[in-house]
Amino acid sequence: SAVISQKPSRDICQRGTSLTIQCQVDSQVTMMFWYRQQPGQSLTLIATANQGSEATYESGFVIDKFPISRPNLTFSTLTVSNMSPEDSSIYLCSVDPRTQGGYGYTFGSGTRLTVV
Amino acid sequence: AQKITQTQPGMFVQEKEAVTLDCTYDTSDQSYGLFWYKQPSSGEMIFLIYQGSYDEQNATEGRYSLNFQKARKSANLVISASQLGDSAMYFCAMRERSRRQLTFGSGTQLTVLP
Repeated sequence: SAVISQKPSRDICQRGTSLTIQCQVDSQVTMMFWYRQQPGQSLTLIATANQGSEATYESGFVIDKFPISRPNLTFSTLTVSNMSPEDSSIYLCSVDPRTQGGYGYTFGSGTRLTVV
Repeated sequence: AQKITQTQPGMFVQEKEAVTLDCTYDTSDQSYGLFWYKQPSSGEMIFLIYQGSYDEQNATEGRYSLNFQKARKSANLVISASQLGDSAMYFCAMRERSRRQLTFGSGTQLTVLP
């Protein structure tokens, strides 16, 4: 199964600033997914990122707030823009395993973001 | 309507005993997959087990087994011989044929007591 390197692992940011989270996959994958996990909550999908096309955002998430890049089949970034304390969450990237013939979706190790 | 329902916010089990974590799902797709993930306090998501909707046998992976009852739309996770390291949050998730991404339940916090 794919291995994902996610950076940074954690950060503390000032409100009004932006943070870019990176995910590097050790093999080519078609789709990458970005999730948010607010404190004590489950995972909520932010968007799906395909290489070479605009990301598809879920209801309640907009590109201006969470711009995503997908320059190639092994890399993606998520930016959390103009942050407020409500953005304090764990952010996770994930890939569909079926391109490797697997079942379990692989996740990055997560970025624990605190906005002060 | 909730697609994935986990009705147990918290569960306690004695070390070396078995525990069942409940999960029910709702879909109109005939083809779908069900997943269980473990999330320790570190925040990483660890894949445990998968069950396809057309699989006739219940999935097993080491100490993990999935009690799949299709007619009842339930996919309970059974952990045998619990260990202290099993203490974590456990999420049930589903992928429907019509969607590529996973939808998660609210999770169950499992605590294994010594």
